[in-house]
Amino acid sequence: DIQMTQSPSTLSASVGDRVTITCRASQSINKWLAWYQQKPGKAPELLIYMASNLESGVPSRFSGSGSGTEFTLTISSLQPEDFATYYCQQYGGFYSFGQGTKLEIK
Amino acid sequence: QAQLVESGGGLVQPGRSLRLSCEASGFTFSSYAMHWVRQAPGKGLEWVAFISYDGSRTKYADSVKGRFSISRDRSKNVYLQMSSLRAEDTALYYCVRNRDSKGFDYWGQGTLVTVSS
Repeated sequence: DIQMTQSPSTLSASVGDRVTITCRASQSINKWLAWYQQKPGKAPELLIYMASNLESGVPSRFSGSGSGTEFTLTISSLQPEDFATYYCQQYGGFYSFGQGTKLEIK
Repeated sequence: QAQLVESGGGLVQPGRSLRLSCEASGFTFSSYAMHWVRQAPGKGLEWVAFISYDGSRTKYADSVKGRFSISRDRSKNVYLQMSSLRAEDTALYYCVRNRDSKGFDYWGQGTLVTVSS
């Protein structure tokens, strides 16, 4: 099974900050990686697929990069609505999620 | 607009069975693979099961293999038959659409399963 490890688990930041979340796969998954945002009491929403492709309707301040085993999600300028929990997911071999990164207001 | 609505959750005793349903609308159901993903209270996301667009292939997480079974009909429903339920199966179960290589693009609002005596 492919294990996904996100860091950090919690991130404190302010509106306007640039933040980066990292996701590591236990083996190469090429670019078979997605990022999701989940707000309290809501279902997750797709942000990025194939490591770097922005889902339709997602603001351009979100971007993804990486391939193989190392991936990043970057938010260029945090907005109030971005404070949420973020998950990476691999779909290169079965499916698995990272443990999540909670983005908190500093 | 695609929509997924889950039902069938509830309180069930350990060792018993439960069947979850998911009704799809707003898209050509027979063209998409579907999944179940769960989230224990206060925890992260865990993929549970996959079924191909035509129902010919299924896959399961090790944690549910041999106990859960995913199926679908031709029109608009996907099911998760859960047997030998355990306390650790307590979670919100989401029905999710898989858009080819583009990730899980539509999620239902979930149905809560609580396994407790």
